[in-house]
Amino acid sequence: DQQVKQNSPSLSVQEGRISILNCDYTNSMFDYFLWYKKYPAEGPTFLISISSIKDKNEDGRFTVFLNKSAKHLSLHIVPSQPGDSAVYFCAAAGTGSARQLTFGSGTQLTVLP
Amino acid sequence: DTAVSQTPKYLVTQMGNDKSIKCEQNLGHDTMYWYKQDSKKFLKIMFSYNNKELIINETVPNRFSPKSPDKAHLNLHINSLELGDSAVYFCASSQRLSGGRNEQFFGPGTRLTVL
Repeated sequence: DQQVKQNSPSLSVQEGRISILNCDYTNSMFDYFLWYKKYPAEGPTFLISISSIKDKNEDGRFTVFLNKSAKHLSLHIVPSQPGDSAVYFCAAAGTGSARQLTFGSGTQLTVLP
Repeated sequence: DTAVSQTPKYLVTQMGNDKSIKCEQNLGHDTMYWYKQDSKKFLKIMFSYNNKELIINETVPNRFSPKSPDKAHLNLHINSLELGDSAVYFCASSQRLSGGRNEQFFGPGTRLTVL
């Protein structure tokens, strides 16, 4: 039972344009959401996060939007750069004391020069 | 200056063998994790230790045994390796922060291949 879903396995975007990566979740107990970026043969790298009390968080070219009623979040990258080409994972943390993360299956972003 | 390191990076072994993967973090974090990335690329939590105490133990065969000698280390020992254990194993660490934040920092992964 996938509690965090990334329905697009891949996305291609032209350099300079906006990349929008989507993520849906089913567990209403999730209250903290994160995006990770992963290059081949490396571990995931933390990118940006958002608490459920907010609907937007921005960090440079990266913005995460959270729509709690729709149980949906998205990551916007603008402008996209070739170095952004990587797999992006969405993750969600529950309210338990362990705060474990549940990951989506990832979206491969390719930014074309 | 590596934050989370794992050894070895690659591990090829025969079925039935016992092997260990080591993980160390120099971030001063109080919580460490082991994840398995399967063939479908899902990252699934296996174990978590907070201050050397086991706090997460997902449904994992008891052939897998984590060991945390101190807060900076979390090793994974696997007995009687099976073909289905082939995967990439990631170690991660985090510091419990107020507001429920849980940014985890990952190691580079260990690709285990069981023949």
